[in-house]
Amino acid sequence: GEDVEQSLFLSVREGDSSVINCTYTDSSSTYLYWYKQEPGAGLQLLTYIFSNMDMKQDQRLTVLLNKKDKHLSLRIADTQTGDSAIYFCAESIGDYKLSFGAGTTVTVRA
Amino acid sequence: EPEVTQTPSHQVTQMGQEVILRCVPISNHLYFYWYRQILGQKVEFLVSFYNNEISEKSEIFDDQFSVERPDGSNFTLKIRSTKLEDSAMYFCASSGLERDQETQYFGPGTRLLVL
Repeated sequence: GEDVEQSLFLSVREGDSSVINCTYTDSSSTYLYWYKQEPGAGLQLLTYIFSNMDMKQDQRLTVLLNKKDKHLSLRIADTQTGDSAIYFCAESIGDYKLSFGAGTTVTVRA
Repeated sequence: EPEVTQTPSHQVTQMGQEVILRCVPISNHLYFYWYRQILGQKVEFLVSFYNNEISEKSEIFDDQFSVERPDGSNFTLKIRSTKLEDSAMYFCASSGLERDQETQYFGPGTRLLVL
């Protein structure tokens, strides 16, 4: 089946690291993605990881993939107020579609 | 940086009316998609489109829905007779012609409200 699960809320202090976790079910997923959605806005691609990788770093973002446990995480270093948003984990299903999690609402407090 | 655009940003319609949501995918992309997000729920796949035909569709995408690429730039989603439960944010996405062919880039969405 296609089911992506995420925790719903995360509160973090400005300057700390945020870690958002995600589990997925389709072991044949080629790519796994993180999208960001700010209030009233669309889905912004943050980063992605190919399924044969364990880790990907992109500036303040670090993606870790544990394929055995089907677990994906996104770490945001030095979290800023502009990082407050909903973060969606998504897995590619077949060639043509993405399956999304429900989204984790990250609130950055001063 | 190239981006996907969508019009209108908001649409209010009466139940039973037809609506057409418009999208301009990233130039030279080959794969096009529609997703929707009902308020408070997950983003759900509706349909994918390649080479002028539907590649895959979800069970949500019934006979009331249709997609079209009427010219070289636009990609449209038509809902023939809207229902209250069609109220949602509709996202268009496109992918293709890049090293990571599958990466889908999303537009800002059209918020549809059916009264």
